[in-house]
Amino acid sequence: QITLKESGPTLVKPTQTLTLTCTFSGFSLSTSGVGVGWIRQPPGKALEWLALIYWHDDKRYSPSLKSRLTITKDTSKNQVVLTMTNMDPVDTATYYCAHWVQGTKTVDYWGQGTLVTVSS
Amino acid sequence: DVVMTQSPLSLPVTLGQPASISCRSSQSLVHSDGNTYLNWFQQRPGQSPRRLIYKVSNRDSGVPDRFSGSGSGTDFTLKISRVEAEDVGVYYCMQGTHWPLTFGGGTKVEIK
Repeated sequence: QITLKESGPTLVKPTQTLTLTCTFSGFSLSTSGVGVGWIRQPPGKALEWLALIYWHDDKRYSPSLKSRLTITKDTSKNQVVLTMTNMDPVDTATYYCAHWVQGTKTVDYWGQGTLVTVSS
Repeated sequence: DVVMTQSPLSLPVTLGQPASISCRSSQSLVHSDGNTYLNWFQQRPGQSPRRLIYKVSNRDSGVPDRFSGSGSGTDFTLKISRVEAEDVGVYYCMQGTHWPLTFGGGTKVEIK
């Protein structure tokens, strides 16, 4: 059974760096064809892809946010970490991590999401 | 970026009646490997998205067979043959063929 759970601060100040951790079970990021992605959703708005890390450590970022994002994995801990620098109130959103399957080039299992509010 | 355009934005449906959601992409979603990576997700109120359909027409395990996906190239459709109360929510298409991956703006299905 695949599960994922996001953790991190619920409130950050403008210009601060956000660090989110995705802790998962039921799969290994050392398995070929697997990855973990981050997607966010501002309140009442649509979903937006942020970043993706593959089993072989290749990484992909949203071009519009690439300069602010870093995604890393710790295979031994079954964790993926996303950092986003220079946070702004427009970055207020629910942040999801999800299990990626290369064979279908999509995510199937999602975490519950964590709401991050950016405010002074 | 590939722009995914969904219509309608809102879809009021009578229980037991069919519903259809359109998703159009700004460029072809046929990958160089010959597959078309178009997916549909359902997001019920207060919940995380749930994948319903992958690669245009493949239904996920546990998804009722009243949901079906079709289409090709740049034009795709999600159909619900008979809407039930539990189908209320927002539906998103998502393309996995081109990076960056992109979602449609969503279609809100509600009961009349």
